[in-house]
Amino acid sequence: AQSVSQHNHHVILSEAASLELGCNYSYGGTVNLFWYVQYPGQHLQLLLKYFSGDPLVKGIKGFEAEFIKSKFSFNLRKPSVQWSDTAEYFCAVRGAGNMLTFGGGTRLMVKP
Amino acid sequence: DSGVTQTPKHLITATGQRVTLRCSPRSGDLSVYWYQQSLDQGLQFLIQYYNGEERAKGNILERFSAQQFPDLHSELNLSSLELGDSALYFCASSPRTGIGYTFGSGTRLTVV
Repeated sequence: AQSVSQHNHHVILSEAASLELGCNYSYGGTVNLFWYVQYPGQHLQLLLKYFSGDPLVKGIKGFEAEFIKSKFSFNLRKPSVQWSDTAEYFCAVRGAGNMLTFGGGTRLMVKP
Repeated sequence: DSGVTQTPKHLITATGQRVTLRCSPRSGDLSVYWYQQSLDQGLQFLIQYYNGEERAKGNILERFSAQQFPDLHSELNLSSLELGDSALYFCASSPRTGIGYTFGSGTRLTVV
């Protein structure tokens, strides 16, 4: 069975700081990888996804992620965060079967 | 508005009771997924339906059941409710199985 691990449960940054959120997955086969964001009181929104091809994926709102197959990782990055990026971020993998398996989430707080 | 509609938004009920959560998928989407988000378990996949048929099952309790109707809306039935069932229940839909998930805003269930 696949699993996803997000190492940072809480991250606090100042505006303009760079962001990197870790995500590691375990699954031996072909995976599809996703990052979702959940703003307070809202639904999950897709930030970006990786299916195949270029391992550096660009998403919405200036986010990007890099798939490193040898490390089973799919870390999320943003060069300069804004206060509006305060949210919870979830990494997810779709491997065997059709459902998404989510990591535990990382709560990001950006101080103005 | 993501196009996936969940009702009700909030539900407070007593232990031992039964509730029904409703999800209307995005227009044209055939797959519906149910997820439970709780503080201790995180985001967990419950069950998936595709065009009226059960397609995949996750960590869904026997007290819980779901169905998808001919008009493609889905209902999640939770019975013999316990305090630990208090959670946010999300529905997602996709055009085909596992492609292009869109999440609804969720139903927050509180069992007292």
